[in-house]
Amino acid sequence: KQEVTQIPAALSVPEGENLVLNCSFTDSAIYNLQWFRQDPGKGLTSLLLIQSSQREQTSGRLNASLDKSSGRSTLYIAASQPGDSATYLCAVRAGGSYIPTFGRGTSLIVHP
Amino acid sequence: EAQVTQNPRYLITVTGKKLTVTCSQNMNHEYMSWYRQDPGLGLRQIYYSMNVEVTDKGDVPEGYKVSRKEKRNFPLILESPSPNQTSLYFCASSFSDRGYYGYTFGSGTRLTVV
Repeated sequence: KQEVTQIPAALSVPEGENLVLNCSFTDSAIYNLQWFRQDPGKGLTSLLLIQSSQREQTSGRLNASLDKSSGRSTLYIAASQPGDSATYLCAVRAGGSYIPTFGRGTSLIVHP
Repeated sequence: EAQVTQNPRYLITVTGKKLTVTCSQNMNHEYMSWYRQDPGLGLRQIYYSMNVEVTDKGDVPEGYKVSRKEKRNFPLILESPSPNQTSLYFCASSFSDRGYYGYTFGSGTRLTVV
């Protein structure tokens, strides 16, 4: 059964820092991996979707990479801002299943 | 605008009073799913549907029912709500082509059962 782990569980940084959030998964036979942002009490907003054939995706200050062989994905946030404060979740869509597996998320606080 | 719409956003109800949370998507997605999110437990899948009239249990289906009579709608039914069903609920949808599509989530329904 696919397991998804996100490290760290929580992170507090000063504004302006470059950040790396990690997502690891146990079964490398995946179709895609999706990163979401969730503000407190709100829904999940899709940030980036990486297909299994891709190595990375970029959107603005966000860059997500995928290394299937090692079962890892990283979300890089450049020049962090207080508005980036949220919980970031990764979801893996594994081969042979329509059902995504979610990590528990990384709670990020960027303070001024 | 492509979206998943849940209603209501907030609901307070009493134990045992049947309720329905609606979910509708306008993207012609085959796959729809319900999740609950609780502190420390993450997202847990309740039920999912691969297409019209095709539903299956997720990880925590007890106390819930669903139906998929139309492609766009996937209501979540609590026949006799209990306080342990107090949670934040999300509906999600996607195309069923596994290789190329991600998921779209609704804004959530905060349910309190007293």
